[in-house]
Amino acid sequence: GDSVTQMEGPVTLSEEAFLTINCTYTATGYPSLFWYVQYPGEGLQLLLKATKADDKGSNKGFEATYRKETTSFHLEKGSVQVSDSAVYFCALRKGAQKLVFGQGTRLTINP
Amino acid sequence: IAGITQAPTSQILAAGRRMTLRCTQDMRHNAMYWYRQDLGLGLRLIHYSNTAGTTGKGEVPDGYSVSRANTDDFPLTLASAVPSQTSVYFCASSDSAGAQADTQYFGPGTRLTVL
Repeated sequence: GDSVTQMEGPVTLSEEAFLTINCTYTATGYPSLFWYVQYPGEGLQLLLKATKADDKGSNKGFEATYRKETTSFHLEKGSVQVSDSAVYFCALRKGAQKLVFGQGTRLTINP
Repeated sequence: IAGITQAPTSQILAAGRRMTLRCTQDMRHNAMYWYRQDLGLGLRLIHYSNTAGTTGKGEVPDGYSVSRANTDDFPLTLASAVPSQTSVYFCASSDSAGAQADTQYFGPGTRLTVL
């Protein structure tokens, strides 16, 4: 079945560092890909998404590019802030099927 | 606009007791979902509803039931709670059940502990 694999956390960085959180997926066809973020004590909220190959989703300085050839959707940010500390979830959806989530990556940014 | 509200925020429950987690959305979304979040396992779908009056089973439905009497409300019931149901429960909604790129909107969660 369809699945999503994220890099294991936790990830700890200093403020202004470059961030990459790896995400790869297994699915046939052309799923839509998502990054959701969960801030401490809150529910998940959509960070960005991409719906077809080579699409780039972006929001709040974060970017991810839908790479069909490598089945990847890595999340990047050039300069992280303390306020980016959260748990990040990669997810896919194909057609009318339900969202499939990765296990989440906890990110901590130190000042 | 409140979005999605869940109640209670947290609950400690004795094993064997019945419990209903409440979820209400004010976005007039057609589809609603219940997930549980466990450490290291991400989110797993328990039950879903594509539209009012219909429900379906997700990945981990055993021990849970749902109903969707109207568009706004989607309660989750544990008929006889067991310790393995200790988790954080999230309700979510989306405008359409069938649109691949639709965003899901999540509530703040209910932290449930079964002793």
